[in-house]
Amino acid sequence: EAGVTQFPSHSVIEKGQTVTLRCDPISGHDNLYWYRRVMGKEIKFLLHFVKESKQDESGMPNNRFLAERTGGTYSTLKVQPAELEDSGVYFCASSQWGTSGNTIYFGEGSWLTVV
Amino acid sequence: EDQVTQSPEALRLQEGESSSLNCSYTVSGLRGLFWYRQDPGKGPEFLFTLYSAGEEKEKERLKATLTKKESFLHITAPKPEDSATYLCAVTGAAGNKLTFGGGTRVLVKP
Repeated sequence: EAGVTQFPSHSVIEKGQTVTLRCDPISGHDNLYWYRRVMGKEIKFLLHFVKESKQDESGMPNNRFLAERTGGTYSTLKVQPAELEDSGVYFCASSQWGTSGNTIYFGEGSWLTVV
Repeated sequence: EDQVTQSPEALRLQEGESSSLNCSYTVSGLRGLFWYRQDPGKGPEFLFTLYSAGEEKEKERLKATLTKKESFLHITAPKPEDSATYLCAVTGAAGNKLTFGGGTRVLVKP
């Protein structure tokens, strides 16, 4: 079974440019999450989708960040315009309620560097 | 606001030298406490979920325990391949989002 996949794995962009990160959750997982770790800090929650609906977006830092989940399948996280402080690693995760509880599985991350 | 504190920040062990990692938490209505392993350049890899005080889970050389205020991850007779950062996280009554601690970097030397 394929895990959570993220693209691109690494991205270097200039300040002011736009970057779009993509996440494909584990098949059948209705819950999709975005997390971020910036240098020297803990992994922080950004937002949570249930199918195509945003359940909780309390962690989104500002309106330069836009997350979408088309048709309840894959998700994109767009940063526009990117700022230096947006550099870090963006993790996507997914889960499915059931007999295993709510185990949340992570992707490898998209490493973003803004210069 | 949920909080998770892990200690120590780093741990150097000789192969075979057992030790424990601590995860102290403050959460409103604990729904689950999670342990993850993270290798450099990789995403967090799920290890365990604990749901209630007194619960214990084991996987190979790892054993996780839970009390009302903290969790321990015991590493028994570690091997070099156990070297990684171990992350603790909780979900509370506020929702499904994970609140992470800073992690413990474990280095096991042969």
